Amino acid sequence: GAVVSQHPSRVICKSGTSVKIECRSLDFQATTMFWYRQFPKQSLMLMATSNEGSKATYEQGVEKDKFLINHASLTLSTLTVTSAHPEDSSFYICSVRDRESEKLFFGSGTQLSVL
Amino acid sequence: GESVGLHLPTLSVQEGDNSIINCAYSNSASDYFIWYKQESGKGPQFIIDIRSNMDKRQGQRVTVLLNKTVKHLSLQIAATQPGDSAVYFCAENIHPGTALIFGKGTTLSVSS
Repeated sequence: GAVVSQHPSRVICKSGTSVKIECRSLDFQATTMFWYRQFPKQSLMLMATSNEGSKATYEQGVEKDKFLINHASLTLSTLTVTSAHPEDSSFYICSVRDRESEKLFFGSGTQLSVL
Repeated sequence: GESVGLHLPTLSVQEGDNSIINCAYSNSASDYFIWYKQESGKGPQFIIDIRSNMDKRQGQRVTVLLNKTVKHLSLQIAATQPGDSAVYFCAENIHPGTALIFGKGTTLSVSS
């Protein structure tokens, strides 16, 4: 089956620092990548949609200057949480749509803890 | 507000029982639905999907039922095992190519 690699799986950082999360499709090309955020005991909330080579589309209430998304190739998208604060602590998950099958696959998630 | 929701936040069953997890969706235009299983600290794991032109689909030990009249989706797990303990989410796709919208989740606890 298709594999989505998401790194790092866990990161602890100080308030004010920036954190980059990578999402890679390992054996297929991705037309679209989606970034979700999940707070404890809550559902996945869509943050943004990114297509290769174009600017990401952000959901209402998600600050594009704070959550920078770069989708530079058909296999890689990155989410950078800039100047992270404790309220940004959350589980971040990427989802990738296979260009051929149109199926969606999820990364294993990144637990961000901001001290 | 959310377009997909679940009726019960928790469900506790005994090993070997059948489990039924329910989900109500609000967007009648949705044409694709998926059930995911999520274990603690991990990403969602695909279980089974169904398109709106079907009302039932079976997998290994799992069955998804779709009732478009009342906009209801359910996941049935046969002979539930301790390894089935997790949070289960239904998700809908309103338009092809767009992101999935997730419901709130039901925590399934299976005791031996």
